[in-house]
Amino acid sequence: QKEVEQDPGPLSVPEGAIVSLNCTYSNSAFQYFMWYRQYSRKGPELLMYTYSSGNKEDGRFTAQVDKSSKYISLFIRDSQPSDSATYLCAMSAMGFQKLVFGTGTRLLVSP
Amino acid sequence: GAGVSQSPSNKVTEKGKDVELRCDPISGHTALYWYRQSLGQGLEFLIYFQGNSAPDKSGLPSDRFSAERTGGSVSTLTIQRTQQEDSAVYLCASSLGGLAGGRSKNIQYFGAGTRLSVL
Repeated sequence: QKEVEQDPGPLSVPEGAIVSLNCTYSNSAFQYFMWYRQYSRKGPELLMYTYSSGNKEDGRFTAQVDKSSKYISLFIRDSQPSDSATYLCAMSAMGFQKLVFGTGTRLLVSP
Repeated sequence: GAGVSQSPSNKVTEKGKDVELRCDPISGHTALYWYRQSLGQGLEFLIYFQGNSAPDKSGLPSDRFSAERTGGSVSTLTIQRTQQEDSAVYLCASSLGGLAGGRSKNIQYFGAGTRLSVL
């Protein structure tokens, strides 16, 4: 069993929809939770960064962490075709630099 | 400012040949990481450098893989006697690291990667 599980998709939605992306994990030591966006043939780009549990909002993006359920989510409001990309969750333990990534969810937003 | 720079962007090689991949981190970043991204797989950690400390090599898949970081800046990942299963995108990332920056020191910024194809 992988430490981090993420549905690969693809997830297809119409423009303007609310998108929910999720990851589950098994290592209770994880304290840092991140979401990266990766366009085709590009490197991952950091979207959101959360420490421990709770919610964080940045524009159209909201990240949620539920450590009791070992479950993290990324919500995208008013999705745009430019949001079409692969979204990778990543996490690490306190003070430990190695990120453990999910396999990524491919999102397609149609006009 | 300049981000993480990787070269070459694409590399095609024959099975059994050695390859070198280069990473130039963000200026001032003391931590540098190498990852591998295979088709349909998540990013797989390979190796981590922090300042002058001994690198964390726990993710290197075999002794054919090695990496060095000269002068605390540029890093080279070397794959000897390449195999077809080595075909992947090799990504480099850097972060502030060290004692500066609080929790944000862990944020890793990625380069565009080197796409390696072993024929």
